[in-house]
Amino acid sequence: TAGITQAPTSQILAAGRSMTLRCTQDMRHNAMYWYRQDLGLGLRLIHYSNTAGTTGKGEVPDGYSVSRANTDDFPLTLASAVPSQTSVYFCASSDDAGSTDTQYFGPGTRLTVL
Amino acid sequence: GQNIDQPTEMTATEGAIVQINCTYQTSGFNGLFWYQQHAGEAPTFLSYNVLDGLEEKGRFSSFLSRSKGYSYLLLKELQMKDSASYLCAVRDSNYQLIWGAGTKLIIKP
Repeated sequence: TAGITQAPTSQILAAGRSMTLRCTQDMRHNAMYWYRQDLGLGLRLIHYSNTAGTTGKGEVPDGYSVSRANTDDFPLTLASAVPSQTSVYFCASSDDAGSTDTQYFGPGTRLTVL
Repeated sequence: GQNIDQPTEMTATEGAIVQINCTYQTSGFNGLFWYQQHAGEAPTFLSYNVLDGLEEKGRFSSFLSRSKGYSYLLLKELQMKDSASYLCAVRDSNYQLIWGAGTKLIIKP
């Protein structure tokens, strides 16, 4: 099984441009998450979705938007990129049917904003 | 504020045992996770503790003391492939994961 896929693997983006990071899971998990990971900092939650049709803001939502039209896809959009959004972005999903509700991560997208 | 503390870097010898500590201060507690992350890769799940005590899984064990806000990950019979970052995360009262910055473990032959 593929699990969680993310695209693109990496991208260099000019400041002010928009971009959508794609995330797809085939595990039928209800919940999905977007994190950014920066050197010296822990993973920080950007947005999340507990189920299709609903989304919520995480710790660092400014400058990002998400949608959850169906169970499998959870795209993250940067409307007007800024250099501080240079980071590695991870998508994750979890099946809240179990007691642990463990999160499983995609391979990540490395984004550089110049 | 919420805070997860772990050492930035540790070094150990192949075949030895290493203990990676994690202390936390969070608004509520609904479980603690340990993940392994190799350089350039995604975090992968290692262990979960919600009750006090030791959880053993092969060469890896994880311990939790909720009263002390403390956990450790114990890695036995270290192998070169264990060189990675180890991330501690706590699920808070909002059911969100709060992550530590990770401990980079360097294994020497």
